[in-house]
Amino acid sequence: ETGVTQTPRHLVMGMTNKKSLKCEQHLGHNAMYWYKQSAKKPLELMFVYNFKEQTENNSVPSRFSPECPNSSHLFLHLHTLQPEDSALYLCASSHSGLAADTQYFGPGTRLTVL
Amino acid sequence: QKEVEQDPGPLSVPEGAIVSLNCTYSNSAFQYFMWYRQYSRKGPELLMYTYSSGNKEDGRFTAQVDKSSKYISLFIRDSQPSDSATYLCATPQNTGTASKLTFGTGTRLQVTL
Repeated sequence: ETGVTQTPRHLVMGMTNKKSLKCEQHLGHNAMYWYKQSAKKPLELMFVYNFKEQTENNSVPSRFSPECPNSSHLFLHLHTLQPEDSALYLCASSHSGLAADTQYFGPGTRLTVL
Repeated sequence: QKEVEQDPGPLSVPEGAIVSLNCTYSNSAFQYFMWYRQYSRKGPELLMYTYSSGNKEDGRFTAQVDKSSKYISLFIRDSQPSDSATYLCATPQNTGTASKLTFGTGTRLQVTL
């Protein structure tokens, strides 16, 4: 295991539902990331938090709302999603957010929007 | 033009073969390159990294960067069924106070018995 856990592992939701994805890292890192992985596409960076402050929002629609209450926990709140939002959502963490730092990924949440 | 391009495969090879996985990149300012391996139902994990040009070897794996042609390669010698996974090349860029990893699409590798 990488030290990064994600729950739930699978989620099916309707377009009108509200749900949240949770990520927890046990590595003592200070930077946390949300990525979206779709078939045949590169991983897309969504959000970056460094020392609990959001430092990157990669033009993500407002129906995705991140929350980072502390350096160990990261949430992604979902509401009124679209079917094209179905994908694998990966959380990652790194020590300090610098280019040389290795990012450690969780196993992902497989999201299906009906 | 995508910043990092990678053939998605799938690539199927017999056990024991030498595998060559490749990426091209567009920005000559990129200096640091990584290879991540992603098994089915898992997140990516860092396999190797290399800085600037040249080769780096780790066991059966060799990472190679040719900056003149903006070409990145990962060679796997004596491939094993356990090497079956998706291999993603990536390069980091600093944005503000955090690092943004730009990934290729990944190449799915299947090593058959």
